[in-house]
Amino acid sequence: DARVTQTPRHKVTEMGQEVTMRCQPILGHNTVFWYRQTMMQGLELLAYFRNRAPLDDSGMPKDRFSAEMPDATLATLKIQPSEPRDSAVYFCASGWDQRTEAFFGQGTRLTVV
Amino acid sequence: AQSVTQLGSHVSVSEGALVLLRCNYSSSVPPYLFWYVQYPNQGLQLLLKYTTGATLVKGINGFEAEFKKSETSFHLTKPSAHMSDAAEYFCAVQTGANNLFFGTGTRLTVIP
Repeated sequence: DARVTQTPRHKVTEMGQEVTMRCQPILGHNTVFWYRQTMMQGLELLAYFRNRAPLDDSGMPKDRFSAEMPDATLATLKIQPSEPRDSAVYFCASGWDQRTEAFFGQGTRLTVV
Repeated sequence: AQSVTQLGSHVSVSEGALVLLRCNYSSSVPPYLFWYVQYPNQGLQLLLKYTTGATLVKGINGFEAEFKKSETSFHLTKPSAHMSDAAEYFCAVQTGANNLFFGTGTRLTVIP
């Protein structure tokens, strides 16, 4: 049963600390998305990779956020330093190509206190 | 540029009644359109999608949606609501090389 795997599922951290969220896309998928979901803003696209190359990260605060794909089986989203306003659920999704549906992971619920 | 508008952040229907969730999009090129469902504490799951061809698309759990180019709409319907349909529903658009953009979501409540 292929699925997108995100770790950790929950993270509570103190303001100022570094947070790293990981995503294992479905094997064979070549596109990876990172979304942030909050009550106020809904689903916001943070970054989008195709064939491991970042195509669009315009939705991501550059001063503290960074997204990478060290290899085809791992995508990471880092926040350094974290702030309370970063508290949200972060979703990773993967797909085959630019114009097919995305398959979502279960999300990482981040709480910054 | 593309965008998605979902009319009504909350919709309530009685069990057995028609479900209608509205979605309008804007796009300068032919879009691909999607409906996703999110249950509490879960990720998003694809309900159905329109790419090309038949404009009436059937999805899982008895849902369907019709692509109407003249109205730039892709409304989601289900003839008879079930308690298990209570969830949040997201419409999304994808065009050309652009990313997958989501609407703000509609929370569906089913009243027994």
